[in-house]
Parts: sequence; C-alpha cells; structure tokens
Amino acid sequence: AQTVTQSQPEMSVQEAETVTLSCTYDTSESDYYLFWYKQPPSRQMILVIRQEAYKQQNATENRFSVNFQKAAKSFSLKISDSQLGDAAMYFCAYRRGPQGGSEKLVFGKGTKLTVNP
Amino acid sequence: DTGVSQDPRHKITKRGQNVTFRCDPISEHNRLYWYRQTLGQGPEFLTYFQNEAQLEKSRLLSDRFSAERPKGSFSTLEIQRTEQGDSAMYLCASNRDRVLTGANVLTFGAGSRLTVL
Repeated sequence: AQTVTQSQPEMSVQEAETVTLSCTYDTSESDYYLFWYKQPPSRQMILVIRQEAYKQQNATENRFSVNFQKAAKSFSLKISDSQLGDAAMYFCAYRRGPQGGSEKLVFGKGTKLTVNP
Repeated sequence: DTGVSQDPRHKITKRGQNVTFRCDPISEHNRLYWYRQTLGQGPEFLTYFQNEAQLEKSRLLSDRFSAERPKGSFSTLEIQRTEQGDSAMYLCASNRDRVLTGANVLTFGAGSRLTVL
C-alpha cells in the first residue's frame, strides 16, 4: 500500500522569507501524481500544486514550487516570499496513475505552517 | 457556481443515533468522493461515485456506513448506530472524469463535523 510521510508536524517562517515543507512517499508504481493541498483554519482544502511523476520538470505555481526527486521518493514544497495568508495546514498527497485502478488520494498527516509578521 | 456544498456543517449526536450528511458537488462534476478526517490526521478515503455508480469503497467504510448518489447529482453519507470513534470531519469532494481533465484535481467542500457524545 502507498504511504505518504510528512516528518514536520509544525513549521514557522517570517513573512517574506522562504520555507520548505518535506514529504516522502512509498510506492512500487512508476506512474502516479503528487499534490500539495492547503487547508486554512475552518476552511476547505484547496490545491496548491500538482506534479505528474512522468514529468522531470518540477512544477511551479507563482510563489509555490516543488522539488520532485523520483528516485528518492521525495516531494518537497517551497513557498517563497511567505505571506500571512499562507498560514494553514499543508497536506502532501499521492494518487496512482490512470492504469492504477484506484481514484483515492493518500494523504500525509500534514504540516502546520505559521507565518510570523 | 458556489462550489461543493455540505450540510450540516456541524452535527452533535448521542452514541447509537443515526446521522446523515449531504453533499452537493459542482454541477458539471460527474465524480464525487467522501473522505474522513480525524483530529491531527490527513483525510482518509472512504468512497467515490462516478455518476450514480459507487465504484470504489475503502475498508474503513464499515457496514454502519452507507453512501448513495441516486441521481448522479447530490450524495448522502449515513452513519448508523454512531460510536464515539466516528467523531471526525467528513469531507466531500468532486471533479470530472480524468479522461476529460487529466490529473483530475479535487474540489473539496468545507466539511461536516460530527461529534458523538
């Protein structure tokens, strides 16, 4: 079974600084997707960024970028120029590729990010 | 479009009672998912529907849990004979078939929080 591990229960960053959240996963499959979701307090979860395993290029979305290391099964999220609105729980998630026979997302336990003014 | 709607937002019940949650997905989304999130954990997959067909169920979905999507639009999740261990946030999400959209990113609702006394 696939597992996702987020080893940092909590992280903090100063406003305007950069922070990196870690995620490792375990799978025997070669085709899959990886995601970072953000869950602000009492609000719904929203997608931050996604990465297809077959793509070597790291995904970027404005201030958010990932470092995808397929051989190491590592998928870290870098947030640049941190803003107060970035404070939230961040979840790393894995899903099998189209031939995997399952649509479920497997989530890590999350990292709580605090942004200090 | 108002996004994924869930009702009620919070339900408090006594052990042994039945509860039902409703989810209204984004109208053009033919897939609907239920996840459960306990305190300090990431969401765990329960089940998903494509149109009215329930295509995948987790082993977490015990016989006390039943989900339906009778007309391929809204869905209900019923928990019979609730136990204290059922206390959690129940999240609904939706998207379109991956054939149409590729990596099929989920749109989540705000969740229904269940407290079993």
